[in-house]
Amino acid sequence: EPEVTQTPSHQVTQMGQEVILRCVPISNHLYFYWYRQILGQKVEFLVSFYNNEISEKSEIFDDQFSVERPDGSNFTLKIRSTKLEDSAMYFCASCYFGDQETQYFGPGTRLLVL
Amino acid sequence: GESVGLHLPTLSVQEGDNSIINCAYSNSASDYFIWYKQESGKGPQFIIDIRSNMDKRQGQRVTVLLNKTVKHLSLQIAATQPGDSAVYFCALTGGGNKLTFGTGTQLKVEL
Repeated sequence: EPEVTQTPSHQVTQMGQEVILRCVPISNHLYFYWYRQILGQKVEFLVSFYNNEISEKSEIFDDQFSVERPDGSNFTLKIRSTKLEDSAMYFCASCYFGDQETQYFGPGTRLLVL
Repeated sequence: GESVGLHLPTLSVQEGDNSIINCAYSNSASDYFIWYKQESGKGPQFIIDIRSNMDKRQGQRVTVLLNKTVKHLSLQIAATQPGDSAVYFCALTGGGNKLTFGTGTQLKVEL
């Protein structure tokens, strides 16, 4: 069964450093998403991406964040200068069509900013 | 803004009993609802979904009920098993393709 994969599973970084989180969505899916989950809290939407551009983003997704689909398979989230409060689980998700279609989530990357 | 809440943070049930997890939402424009299961250290796993033109949908051992009048969603798990222990989130979309998640209910299955 196809699934969303994410790397790395864990990332520890120093405050102010740049991190890139990587995702491989399900191969025939067209919509891609990043969500985050701070420990013990609910999952929060960050950004959606379709047709090589951002289609929607939340207020969390400020200028420190960017997304890219550098090739036909990878989808990345970059945080330019990490802050302590960026520590969270980051989930990538994908779906085939968009609104009212099931989003399938990857296993997540646990980011710890020291 | 959108808000999604759950009635109970923790639900404990005996193995074999039925479980009911509830969710309330505020946006009447919400048109697609999903239940996800999240085990410790893993990503949300799709369980079942329902569109706003339906009141009920059944899957294998799970049923989702939608009451649009009172903006309430529930997940029923029949014959709950130890493997059902997890956090359950309701999530919804409305007017866009982002998911808004609830705060989650921890389901604990006691042997």
